[in-house]
Amino acid sequence: IAGITQAPTSQILAAGRRMTLRCTQDMRHNAMYWYRQDLGLGLRLIHYSNTAGTTGKGEVPDGYSVSRANTDDFPLTLASAVPSQTSVYFCASSEEGIRSEQYFGPGTRLTVT
Amino acid sequence: QKEVEQNSGPLSVPEGAIASLNCTYSDRGSQSFFWYRQYSGKSPELIMFIYSNGDKEDGRFTAQLNKASQYVSLLIRDSQPSDSATYLCAVNMNRDDKIIFGKGTRLHILP
Repeated sequence: IAGITQAPTSQILAAGRRMTLRCTQDMRHNAMYWYRQDLGLGLRLIHYSNTAGTTGKGEVPDGYSVSRANTDDFPLTLASAVPSQTSVYFCASSEEGIRSEQYFGPGTRLTVT
Repeated sequence: QKEVEQNSGPLSVPEGAIASLNCTYSDRGSQSFFWYRQYSGKSPELIMFIYSNGDKEDGRFTAQLNKASQYVSLLIRDSQPSDSATYLCAVNMNRDDKIIFGKGTRLHILP
């Protein structure tokens, strides 16, 4: 069982370019999340999905969009990347939503130049 | 008051001793509390979760929850060098049903 996979592992992106970070889980968890982690700011929720077909905004959603077409996949798209989006991005999932424990993917390190 | 607050550390503990990590939170109605361990350059890994007042033990780890005082702590017994990591406290805030992570406490176990 792989758990949660993320791709790519790392990426250097020119400002203004579009980028999709991929996240796939094989645990059949209902809820999925995207976080960014920045030094001194900790983990901050970008978007979440409680179940396939629904999404919601987290603490820092601006500049990002998500979709949840099925249970397993939860891609995060940066429509037009800016340097402030340089960060480490973690995808996570939980079985029953925000009140249950979350399991994290290995992360994607994104640098926007 | 910050929503979830942790001492950033570093907290240095001799090998074999008990490491005590603390976390306070602002929302008195919070229901779910989690401890994650994060090694440098790695993703957070769930260590413990606790929902009820009191202690919950799992191996060398004990989570302690005191809702009246709004704190949750993690005790690590017989500390090992491999326990050196950043420990993140996460709290499900009842008022808007969101989860907030603390900024973490860096723990250093001295061999």
